[in-house]
Amino acid sequence: ETGVTQTPRHLVMGMTNKKSLKCEQHLGHNAMYWYKQSAKKPLELMFVYSLEERVENNSVPSRFSPECPNSSHLFLHLHTLQPEDSALYLCASSQDPALSRGNTIYFGEGSWLTVV
Amino acid sequence: AQSVTQPDIHITVSEGASLELRCNYSYGATPYLFWYVQSPGQGLQLLLKYFSGDTLVQGIKGFEAEFKRSQSSFNLRKPSVHWSDAAEYFCAASGGNTPLVFGKGTRLSVIA
Repeated sequence: ETGVTQTPRHLVMGMTNKKSLKCEQHLGHNAMYWYKQSAKKPLELMFVYSLEERVENNSVPSRFSPECPNSSHLFLHLHTLQPEDSALYLCASSQDPALSRGNTIYFGEGSWLTVV
Repeated sequence: AQSVTQPDIHITVSEGASLELRCNYSYGATPYLFWYVQSPGQGLQLLLKYFSGDTLVQGIKGFEAEFKRSQSSFNLRKPSVHWSDAAEYFCAASGGNTPLVFGKGTRLSVIA
């Protein structure tokens, strides 16, 4: 059983819909991440939260809106997406965002998003 | 710019044969290095990591990787591949205070 749980595992949505992806980590970590994985492209870091504060936002379009209500939960709110946003969205967590103390990023199983 | 390169997009090996997946990095200093594996439809699982010390690191599932500073490489190896090793493998690196940068991945196919 993974320490990072993502729901739903699969989501199909229209371009005018509003939906959310949910992530929960059971590892006692303080940092959480959203990554996007598209076919034939490297994993793209979208957002980083540390202690519920956003510390990194990699020029992600505003149609993606993250929310971190506490250190165990992370959401990705989706609205007016485009077909090219179809991808696997991976949530991850680590003890903190800085890896210098031997921290490791642990990933969830991902949420497959299809925009039609 | 910091980058991670995995030169091989797809590799096919016979079951029982040895495996080496290549990874090169470009960083100002020695980064922290990782190998992850992703089975179809799944998330990424950490295989092993290198932070400092012994340049040969052991991981799960019988994998090992060797850090070579002179070659800026961190190649993943396994002496005998099993069919269940078929998956996508990602090398990643971090400067310590920077998020992980991933390579594009190498897809491993295993044939009987």
